Amino acid sequence: DTAVSQTPKYLVTQMGNDKSIKCEQNLGHDTMYWYKQDSKKFLKIMFSYNNKELIINETVPNRFSPKSPDKAHLNLHINSLELGDSAVYFCASSPRGRRPSNYGYTFGSGTRLTVV
Amino acid sequence: KQEVTQIPAALSVPEGENLVLNCSFTDSAIYNLQWFRQDPGKGLTSLLLIQSSQREQTSGRLNASLDKSSGRSTLYIAASQPGDSATYLCAGTDSWGKLQFGAGTQVVVTP
Repeated sequence: DTAVSQTPKYLVTQMGNDKSIKCEQNLGHDTMYWYKQDSKKFLKIMFSYNNKELIINETVPNRFSPKSPDKAHLNLHINSLELGDSAVYFCASSPRGRRPSNYGYTFGSGTRLTVV
Repeated sequence: KQEVTQIPAALSVPEGENLVLNCSFTDSAIYNLQWFRQDPGKGLTSLLLIQSSQREQTSGRLNASLDKSSGRSTLYIAASQPGDSATYLCAGTDSWGKLQFGAGTQVVVTP
């Protein structure tokens, strides 16, 4: 049973294209996140949704738009892809409730995006 | 702004030795501190979570300590095995639930 699943696992696309990454969790968590891991392996938060409500929106280009149709899904759509968008994107979830969880995060296995 | 530093950046030890991984953070107002393991091409696996009110957590051969006043956490792995080879990441959680990660310590355990 996959707890947090992302699709696709690999994505190779040309500059200027629009692409989406999907994430689903079956843990019953109410908070989901997108993190980006760059070429230097640093992980940085991009967005967080709690019960379909956007609660964290870091300084991310507005070409990136998250969408949460329900609390079990958080998708990431990227418009006009650029070379610098190449990275590994991780989805995660936690039972945050109204405050940070002391039960920790569960991460997906990542989506490796390569823009050529 | 929270900054998390991990030392050393890389570590290679023979099997059986104990591992000591260090993590320091600049903002002591963390909600909790978590240690993760990342294998090449894989996602992150949560190892231990220490709440801000706790001093340490243990799971099997792993023990993590937290000293908020000095802004430090240490992960100890006893009797290392080749299967422990991975990158270990520490991350502080702020009141919004954001994880601030360090750059990681890459560990290689040789048979």
